[in-house]
Amino acid sequence: ETGVTQSPTHLIKTRGQQVTLRCSSQSGHNTVSWYQQALGQGPQFIFQYYREEENGRGNFPPRFSGLQFPNYSSELNVNALELDDSALYLCASSLDQGPLVDTQYFGPGTRLTVL
Amino acid sequence: DAKTTQPNSMESNEEEPVHLPCNHSTISGTDYIHWYRQLPSQGPEYVIHGLTSNVNNRMASLAIAEDRKSSTLILHRATLRDAAVYYCIHQSSGGGADGLTFGKGTHLIIQP
Repeated sequence: ETGVTQSPTHLIKTRGQQVTLRCSSQSGHNTVSWYQQALGQGPQFIFQYYREEENGRGNFPPRFSGLQFPNYSSELNVNALELDDSALYLCASSLDQGPLVDTQYFGPGTRLTVL
Repeated sequence: DAKTTQPNSMESNEEEPVHLPCNHSTISGTDYIHWYRQLPSQGPEYVIHGLTSNVNNRMASLAIAEDRKSSTLILHRATLRDAAVYYCIHQSSGGGADGLTFGKGTHLIIQP
């Protein structure tokens, strides 16, 4: 059983640009969640996808969007990047019932720097 | 938002037990208590979770107070590899698709 992987590891963008971050969930995990972790803080929930549909969202603006694919991969897209978007972006997969009950398996994260 | 209170940091010696406290006075009857930890330069890692009864697994034990307003994560014999930020989380299991709400956690330092 492979773990959760994310790409790229690091990324540098400039303000106003768009970025796509990728995640590969564990096989068989139908739920994927994305989190943003600023330096020195705990992760903050962005949104969750279940079987390719967004079914939950945290306090993040619409310029944060996502996709989930049938092959257990997913994407986080951020438009019109702002300096405050600089953070570690984590994805986490779980089996079916979501993070409140199921164990969440986190990837190593993508470090995004916005200049 | 669900809220927990944890000490900012704790220090322990290698091969000794570690008790990490967490207060969650606003917990409701259906909230699970989750513990995750984050090693340096890694994503969070599941440790343990429970609802009412004490729980044990290969990594740790979770002791839940009778009134459920506090809990303690117990590492029975700390190793250097246990140095991490430990997050205590409680959240309603009302079927909503909400992510876990992390606080700042406890930074556990293990001395050799």
